Amino acid sequence: GAGVSQTPSNKVTEKGKYVELRCDPISGHTALYWYRQSLGQGPEFLIYFQGTGAADDSGLPNDRFFAVRPEGSVSTLKIQRTERGDSAVYLCASSLMAMNTEAFFGQGTRLTVV
Amino acid sequence: AQTVTQSQPEMSVQEAETVTLSCTYDTSESDYYLFWYKQPPSRQMILVIRQEAYKQQNATENRFSVNFQKAAKSFSLKISDSQLGDAAMYFCAYRSAMYGNKLVFGAGTILRVKS
Repeated sequence: GAGVSQTPSNKVTEKGKYVELRCDPISGHTALYWYRQSLGQGPEFLIYFQGTGAADDSGLPNDRFFAVRPEGSVSTLKIQRTERGDSAVYLCASSLMAMNTEAFFGQGTRLTVV
Repeated sequence: AQTVTQSQPEMSVQEAETVTLSCTYDTSESDYYLFWYKQPPSRQMILVIRQEAYKQQNATENRFSVNFQKAAKSFSLKISDSQLGDAAMYFCAYRSAMYGNKLVFGAGTILRVKS
């Protein structure tokens, strides 16, 4: 695709519900990243995929958060038993290779847990 | 762990004037990359400029230039001839050249441009 696409653009969910956030990277990009940006803060790293495998998931805050990339392209970030503190913008980025290549960001999904 | 600090929560500049955004970072590594990203209200992070730590020459992209002081661990962004379209949130970011691929971001600086 022309750029990194994230859906939905906005998501409102009730506390305790399960949500899935989708990221469609630029075609051919093997590296994919998820970040979380809380209000008034800089993005914080969550997880990095190289191909289908999670090469670094050290940023996932707890076991309610999980991400997959089964075919090495589209990725889904899954949040179980959502809490109000999970409210944030979730940004996805992709790059052609892992190292030394520019990461291109999507427009993010704004998640609001009420 | 690496940290990035942006000490200016908000800055203002008159159209056509020059403004400098500050950034300091902390790392024990010798090889790394530094970035400035722009985030307009659309939320999409846009790369403004990039600096490799092993290069002594400061990076320049049109009206945007950096002052990279490796010993001081300082990486400021200068915007010349400011335009209304430059108004946005600006983030400084660090990435290791050897270990991992994640970007470490500062808290950001809101830049307002006055006409």
